[in-house]
Amino acid sequence: GQNIDQPTEMTATEGAIVQINCTYQTSGFNGLFWYQQHAGEAPTFLSYNVLDGLEEKGRFSSFLSRSKGYSYLLLKELQMKDSASYLCAVNNDYKLSFGAGTTVTVRA
Amino acid sequence: TAGITQAPTSQILAAGRSMTLRCTQDMRHNAMYWYRQDLGLGLRLIHYSNTAGTTGKGEVPDGYSVSRANTDDFPLTLASAVPSQTSVYFCASSVGTSGNHEQFFGPGTRLTVL
Repeated sequence: GQNIDQPTEMTATEGAIVQINCTYQTSGFNGLFWYQQHAGEAPTFLSYNVLDGLEEKGRFSSFLSRSKGYSYLLLKELQMKDSASYLCAVNNDYKLSFGAGTTVTVRA
Repeated sequence: TAGITQAPTSQILAAGRSMTLRCTQDMRHNAMYWYRQDLGLGLRLIHYSNTAGTTGKGEVPDGYSVSRANTDDFPLTLASAVPSQTSVYFCASSVGTSGNHEQFFGPGTRLTVL
């Protein structure tokens, strides 16, 4: 089976940095996605890592270590609008397997 | 451009009844997917289609069927609904079929089976 783990909840202060970790054990691996999902809305794409290393996109960065089965999403300069669930998803055999998601609450 | 739409937005259904959830995309994407999202379990793939005329089973296909008569439409049918099928259902599409492409999600259908 597929095993993708993320923390259930995280809380941080506006302007701070938060790191959301994702560990995975899957039968195959072709890449790892991060999606953002606001409450009651559809998931939207944030990033996709295929190779090891850090990919930066504005305030958001994503890191991948394939040998460790590990990724993280780094959110910098947190804003209230960043309060959402963040979903880690592994491209496994050309289909996505999702983690349960991490709910981030940003407080003033 | 509408992107990807789903209907209905929400539905309450009696157990044993059948229902079809509709999904339409106007991006000419090859691949389409149906997921269910349950609290604490995340998104789980029900069925997928890599191109018109072909479909495949995902992680939780039992009790569901799909068809892909054309590129744009990918309906999901529950033949005889059961309470465990209460969930939020998301349709998604992507331009490619390798899994390396971003998936675009519809707004979801909230289904309650009583």
